[in-house]
Amino acid sequence: GESVGLHLPTLSVQEGDNSIINCAYSNSASDYFIWYKQESGKGPQFIIDIRSNMDKRQGQRVTVLLNKTVKHLSLQIAATQPGDSAVYFCAEKTSGTYKYIFGTGTRLKVLA
Amino acid sequence: EAGVTQFPSHSVIEKGQTVTLRCDPISGHDNLYWYRRVMGKEIKFLLHFVKESKQDESGMPNNRFLAERTGGTYSTLKVQPAELEDSGVYFCASSRHGPYEQYFGPGTRLTVT
Repeated sequence: GESVGLHLPTLSVQEGDNSIINCAYSNSASDYFIWYKQESGKGPQFIIDIRSNMDKRQGQRVTVLLNKTVKHLSLQIAATQPGDSAVYFCAEKTSGTYKYIFGTGTRLKVLA
Repeated sequence: EAGVTQFPSHSVIEKGQTVTLRCDPISGHDNLYWYRRVMGKEIKFLLHFVKESKQDESGMPNNRFLAERTGGTYSTLKVQPAELEDSGVYFCASSRHGPYEQYFGPGTRLTVT
């Protein structure tokens, strides 16, 4: 698949447990952050986003936390299911631009 | 609503040949973006259209790449002539009115041999 050659950190969690995927960003001028889920052979799928004037945002089974002090973003998935197995990417956008800067991704494996 | 579509899903060409990738954004989305992931690297921005106008081409690697969006609907990305290092997955994304919530297509896997 397209991840060959890209050494991704892997998070393995038991089905039903909560998952926390972390992401560090580098630009203090970033004003928008977004999480994507990518399954094999598919494009990145929007999960949840957050603007820099917030520190927490919740969706269905997912929560994004933003800590601007340490430039850290996390994605929490509650009650992880087998269908959550995928590669998760965080991306940031700098104020005044439209382009996203992607992280390397984290592979989530859900163990039955 | 239909999502972002891309064609072809996979293209295998020889070095020196030309390839044209097509992207159809979500209907009504003024903003269209091209990104790519080459082997072993992160997804990287290539360029951004607002309707038919190029707003940001800062990610285009060189002048072998040409993107167009005539009429402000679908977009094409032409690589001419293709080089081995162009191999990767090319993604298209679109957003409605601003930079937020960019929705991605399934990508075109380009293999240059």
